[in-house]
Amino acid sequence: ETGVTQTPRHLVMGMTNKKSLKCEQHLGHNAMYWYKQSAKKPLELMFVYNFKEQTENNSVPSRFSPECPNSSHLFLHLHTLQPEDSALYLCASSQEGAGGQRDTQYFGPGTRLTVL
Amino acid sequence: QKEVEQDPGPLSVPEGAIVSLNCTYSNSAFQYFMWYRQYSRKGPELLMYTYSSGNKEDGRFTAQVDKSSKYISLFIRDSQPSDSATYLCAVLRGGYNKLIFGAGTRLAVHP
Repeated sequence: ETGVTQTPRHLVMGMTNKKSLKCEQHLGHNAMYWYKQSAKKPLELMFVYNFKEQTENNSVPSRFSPECPNSSHLFLHLHTLQPEDSALYLCASSQEGAGGQRDTQYFGPGTRLTVL
Repeated sequence: QKEVEQDPGPLSVPEGAIVSLNCTYSNSAFQYFMWYRQYSRKGPELLMYTYSSGNKEDGRFTAQVDKSSKYISLFIRDSQPSDSATYLCAVLRGGYNKLIFGAGTRLAVHP
């Protein structure tokens, strides 16, 4: 295991539902990330949190709302999603500023989201 | 033009073959290059990390960067069925450790 856990692993929701994805890292890192992975498309960076502050929002629709209460936990709140939002949502963490390979991002196993 | 281009495959090879996986990138300012491996139902894991041009070897894996042609490669020697996975190339863009990924190449090594 990489030290990054994600729950739930699978989620099916309707377009009117509200749900949340959870990520927890046990590596003592100071930066956390949300990525979206769709079939045959590159991983898309959604949000970056550095020392609990959001430093990047990659033009993500407002129906995705991140929350980072501390440096170990990251949430992605979902509401009124569309079927095209169905994808694998990956969380990652890294030690920002460590330099070189120590900046490596470690990924969780992902949450497979299906929007009906 | 995409910042990182990667042929999605799939690539199917017999066990023991030498595998060559490739990516191109558009920005000559990129300095850090990575290869991630992603097994089915798992998140990507870092396989190789290279700074600037040259080769880096780790067991059966060799990462190669040619900055003059903006080309990055991963070679797998004596490929094994356990190497069957999707391989993602990535470059590090400056500012808050922002990784730009290729689409990933799916590799199948059959016995």
